[in-house]
Amino acid sequence: QKEVEQNSGPLSVPEGAIASLNCTYSDRGSQSFFWYRQYSGKSPELIMFIYSNGDKEDGRFTAQLNKASQYVSLLIRDSQPSDSATYLCAAETNFGNEKLTFGTGTRLTIIP
Amino acid sequence: SQTIHQWPATLVQPVGSPLSLECTVEGTSNPNLYWYRQAAGRGLQLLFYSVGIGQISSEVPQNLSASRPQDRQFILSSKKLLLSDSGFYLCAWSSGVIGEQYFGPGTRLTVT
Repeated sequence: QKEVEQNSGPLSVPEGAIASLNCTYSDRGSQSFFWYRQYSGKSPELIMFIYSNGDKEDGRFTAQLNKASQYVSLLIRDSQPSDSATYLCAAETNFGNEKLTFGTGTRLTIIP
Repeated sequence: SQTIHQWPATLVQPVGSPLSLECTVEGTSNPNLYWYRQAAGRGLQLLFYSVGIGQISSEVPQNLSASRPQDRQFILSSKKLLLSDSGFYLCAWSSGVIGEQYFGPGTRLTVT
């Protein structure tokens, strides 16, 4: 069974620090990976996607992918209280059909 | 720009009653469409996805069904709701480029 694993947290990070969120996946055939942010009671919002090994930066967010280790991470620099949310990692699991397998999410709390 | 709508936003239904949730997408053609359910404190469970009009794939056998009567319309139905059908129902669309999915605002269903 194809799985995406995340530490459920909660992860508490002081305001202004770097938050590091991690994700592992089981399907070596997965090509693309996605990070979503979900505020309590709201729908998930796409933050970033990555499909090449290495780092991809977008503002305060950096996604990292290591296909050899089957590991994806999201770094949030200069964390703000508004970053407090649950972060979902997803892996594309069926190339061409665009089905995503989601992790259960990591709850992040930024402490002022 | 693309917009995805879902209604109703909230719904309280008795056990055994029927269900119809609607999702429409604007600003794109021939999207892939998805129905997910998120139970309280749980991850996203893919229920159905569709790559075109009348083409529905079911991921989880249960008392729910889906239909796609028009290119940008996706409907989730049930003839008789169960208590276990309670949850946050999310519709999503994908353009088929990278595989990223964009979610609608969701419908919170409580079965009593």
